[in-house]
Order: sequence, then structure tokens, then C-alpha cells
Amino acid sequence: DIVMTQTPLSLSVTPGQPASISCKSSQSLLHSDGKTYLYWYLQKPGQPPQLLIYAVSNRFSGVPDRFSGSGSGTDFTLKISRVEAEDVGVYYCMQSIQFRTFGQGTKVEIK
Amino acid sequence: QVQLQESGPGLVKPSETLSLTCSVSGGSIMSDFWSWIRQPAGKGLEWIGRIYTSGSSTYNPSFESRVTMSLDTSKNQLSLRLTSVTAADTAVYYCARDPVQTNAFDIWGQGTMVTVSS
Repeated sequence: DIVMTQTPLSLSVTPGQPASISCKSSQSLLHSDGKTYLYWYLQKPGQPPQLLIYAVSNRFSGVPDRFSGSGSGTDFTLKISRVEAEDVGVYYCMQSIQFRTFGQGTKVEIK
Repeated sequence: QVQLQESGPGLVKPSETLSLTCSVSGGSIMSDFWSWIRQPAGKGLEWIGRIYTSGSSTYNPSFESRVTMSLDTSKNQLSLRLTSVTAADTAVYYCARDPVQTNAFDIWGQGTMVTVSS
């Protein structure tokens, strides 16, 4: 099984300041097809998760450009350039190279 | 646009079978792949399995012996059956579109809460 490990597990951020979440996988997420199967989701309170980033660094439709994803192999990062109040919730990374597994989640709150 | 809506009993007795349906509107279930994901209260997300337009499925090994997914093209619905449930199966269950183009869950239902209790 591929294990996804996120750090930190919680984050308190001042509006307008940046935030960064790390996600490490127990195996490389680079497939032989050249794609890397790493995704980021945000689950706002009381809502289902929503896709933010697919294939490491591609913003999904409608996702603000303050969100960016980077990384390769087993180490990945989600960055929010300037946190806004609407960004609160739990962020999950997920791999889909072998079945699908999620990280534990990182709770982001506003100071 | 495509919308998903889960439905089913909110309460299931231990050892019985959990059965849920996901109704798809705004698009055809034959156009994409679909997954089920669950989330115990206050906890993280767990992928249960994926069903393809052919009707074949791939399941999380943790559920392999207990889970069946199916498609009903006449109703544009997908279904989940989980047998021999225990309290550990108490969770919010989501269906989600899982297209081959992105290999990610791009559209989610609102989820349905299932409690396993006698």
C-alpha cells in the first residue's frame, strides 16, 4: 500500500500570509506513462471535498491562482500565496498510481 | 453540469448489508468512471472502489471481500453494496466522478450518512 504523509496536520494562518503543506508518498508517484498521479483536495466545513490540483501542478477549473502545487517523485507541496478566509478547511493529498489513498489531512484555520 | 446524489438507508444493523445508490444527472454514467469514498465522522477519506463504463470494478483491497459496485444504465445510477457491516463502517459515503482524463475525483455528491447500529 502507498502511504501518504502530510505535514503539518494543522496550520493557523493570518489572512494575506502564505501557507504551505507538504505531502510525502511511500513510493514514487511517477508512472511509466510519464504522468505523476498526485492530487490535492480541500474539504470546507460541512461540504464534500473539492478538487484543487491534479497531476501535481494543474489547477482544476475555477481554482484561484493563489493555489499552486509542485513536487516530483515522492515529495510534493501545496502552496497558498495569500490565504483568504474562504480557504479554511481540511486539505488532503491523494495518490492514484496504485488504487487511491489519501493523506491524513491538514486543517487550515485563520488566525 | 453533472450532479451526483447519494441515497439509501441511514441506519443498518450489524452483520447486514449496506446498500447505497448514486443518481447522476446532467450527464451519462456511461461517459465516465465512478468511485465511492467514505469518511467516518471527524476522520479522513477512504477510497472504496471504482467502477468502469464496462461494469467492471477495481476495489480497495481492504474492502475486496465485502464490496460490490454496479451500474444501472436505465436509471443512470451507480450502486454500492457492502456486506457484513460493523460499527467501523459508520461513515458518510460519497460517490464521485473519476474520469480517466485526470484520474481524480472531480465531481462529488453531497454524501449520505450511514450508521451501523442495532
